[in-house]
Amino acid sequence: AQSVTQPDIHITVSEGASLELRCNYSYGATPYLFWYVQSPGQGLQLLLKYFSGDTLVQGIKGFEAEFKRSQSSFNLRKPSVHWSDAAEYFCAVGPRSAGGFKTIFGAGTRLFVKA
Amino acid sequence: NAGVTQTPKFRILKIGQSMTLQCAQDMNHNYMYWYRQDPGMGLKLIYYSVGAGITDKGEVPNGYNVSRSTTEDFPLRLELAAPSQTSVYFCASSYGADTQYFGPGTRLTVL
Repeated sequence: AQSVTQPDIHITVSEGASLELRCNYSYGATPYLFWYVQSPGQGLQLLLKYFSGDTLVQGIKGFEAEFKRSQSSFNLRKPSVHWSDAAEYFCAVGPRSAGGFKTIFGAGTRLFVKA
Repeated sequence: NAGVTQTPKFRILKIGQSMTLQCAQDMNHNYMYWYRQDPGMGLKLIYYSVGAGITDKGEVPNGYNVSRSTTEDFPLRLELAAPSQTSVYFCASSYGADTQYFGPGTRLTVL
């Protein structure tokens, strides 16, 4: 069955510390991969995406993610977290083929940033 | 561009009432979606549409209906509201399998 797993429900990091949010997926073939961020009271916004090519992708706000096919993972990283990064982060996978389209979202990881 | 707009932002319904959540996008996207978000549960797909006149069920379609008569609009109809439909509803649109653009959400409470 297709699924996306974000093992950490919430994570707390100190401002200035590095961050890694984990995402694992189960899918028939290599899907399109996304990370979205949701600030309180708002809709989701794209951070970055992977379709093909370089497996290390850069996104907005200094985030990056690395696709590892052998581990079916697409972990999100940031070298130095800012207080404004406190939000909920969603990993998502979608099919490459048109038709029967259903993107699957993970349950989300809530990031807390302490001063 | 306004992107994806949703109305209303908040609504309280009584059990058994009906309502329509409005969604519009001005990006000429062919795909549109409705999700519900419950605390700690991530997003659940209710319905989606791949073009005007074409809709299909998602993961949790029971109690909802949709229509897509134009590219821009994708309203979600709740018939006979139940407490289990208390949630935050998000509309989104995309061009094919690419990035989804989300509206600000509608917070619905059914009492």
